[in-house]
Amino acid sequence: GQQLNQSPQSMFIQEGEDVSMNCTSSSIFNTWLWYKQDPGEGPVLLIALYKAGELTSNGRLTAQFGITRKDSFLNISASIPSDVGIYFCAGQLGAGGTSYGKLTFGQGTILTVHP
Amino acid sequence: EAGVAQSPRYKIIEKRQSVAFWCNPISGHATLYWYQQILGQGPKLLIQFQNNGVVDDSQLPKDRFSAERLKGVDSTLKIQPAKLEDSAVYLCASSPRRNEQFFGPGTRLTVL
Repeated sequence: GQQLNQSPQSMFIQEGEDVSMNCTSSSIFNTWLWYKQDPGEGPVLLIALYKAGELTSNGRLTAQFGITRKDSFLNISASIPSDVGIYFCAGQLGAGGTSYGKLTFGQGTILTVHP
Repeated sequence: EAGVAQSPRYKIIEKRQSVAFWCNPISGHATLYWYQQILGQGPKLLIQFQNNGVVDDSQLPKDRFSAERLKGVDSTLKIQPAKLEDSAVYLCASSPRRNEQFFGPGTRLTVL
């Protein structure tokens, strides 16, 4: 089955620093999504990418859909304490077949921001 | 717009007991998903509904897990009987199309 490798597993940074995390897959995906999960809550969608090579921003967050369609990265600029949480990448296949819509998640990156 | 609602938020049971979780998706969302998230891992899809029909249940342990979505709105996920390894957070998500899934807060299940 498809597997996503997300790295790093955890990061400890100072407030104001930039953060970068990435996700690689053994298979091609047609959509890449990045989610953030706070303790005791469900994942919240941050950015969705639909096209190979696409670069999309959402405030201080920037994500890119890799050209090979097997990878994606997420950058957070000028981190603040509320950025603390677990960040997940997720890949999704395209239209057609019963797997359409199914998200395959990475293992998550735990982000800690020291004030 | 109200988000995905789930209940209960927490449940503690003993092994071999039964348990049921409820999900109310965002109004108008045709697709509903149940995920299992074990501590330290990303969510794993258990079952996907399109309206009231099952699209994908290939990773649902059907000997003990069952799910239904009557009338294509609310959904329930049941475990009978529960095992220790079922301890996890059970997340419900809904989508207006088959992308951009919106998650509920989850139900944290502890099996003793």
